[in-house]
Amino acid sequence: DTGVSQNPRHKITKRGQNVTFRCDPISEHNRLYWYRQTLGQGPEFLTYFQNEAQLEKSRLLSDRFSAERPKGSFSTLEIQRTEQGDSAMYLCASSAQGYAFFGQGTRLTVV
Amino acid sequence: QKEVEQNSGPLSVPEGAIASLNCTYSDRGSQSFFWYRQYSGKSPELIMSIYSNGDKEDGRFTAQLNKASQYVSLLIRDSQPSDSATYLCAVGGYQKVTFGTGTKLQVIP
Repeated sequence: DTGVSQNPRHKITKRGQNVTFRCDPISEHNRLYWYRQTLGQGPEFLTYFQNEAQLEKSRLLSDRFSAERPKGSFSTLEIQRTEQGDSAMYLCASSAQGYAFFGQGTRLTVV
Repeated sequence: QKEVEQNSGPLSVPEGAIASLNCTYSDRGSQSFFWYRQYSGKSPELIMSIYSNGDKEDGRFTAQLNKASQYVSLLIRDSQPSDSATYLCAVGGYQKVTFGTGTKLQVIP
């Protein structure tokens, strides 16, 4: 499968725990995005990488969230001290230029 | 004002009719425009992209762009029940792509 791959697909965690998600983009894509989506809403932009450089981070993103893309390949999104409001679908997308291809998402449930 | 605005719907059309979905955006510097379809519980999938004023047709889908009015639309001809989904308008600037909240389309058999 040469599409965007996200792991895990589902994650249930207790409030206060840290979680980390991984995204493997399409290999030739230099741009990588993270979005968060809650029920009934469109994807909300979180952060954007071009190669290994994190070029933009949403003002809505608290300091509990951090993302990395070492070597410009896969990316990780970490949420520290999770809260119930963090429950959402976390979507990763990649592009060369123009339109973005999405992964299947990681559904996070904080209990 | 939201960066990308769509009517949330639901928009209900009978099978075989034309469905018209609309989107407005606020950033005049936007360069690229996309329509994604999202089925419940699934991730968005690209169905159309458009970069210049006018119409672009692909099968039953036509995207229309008017940069002066900051308006993008998607027409679906001969609507089918399988077209029932949420349609997301997305607008790209120099870097990031911003999505609207989506319009839910229901095609009634």
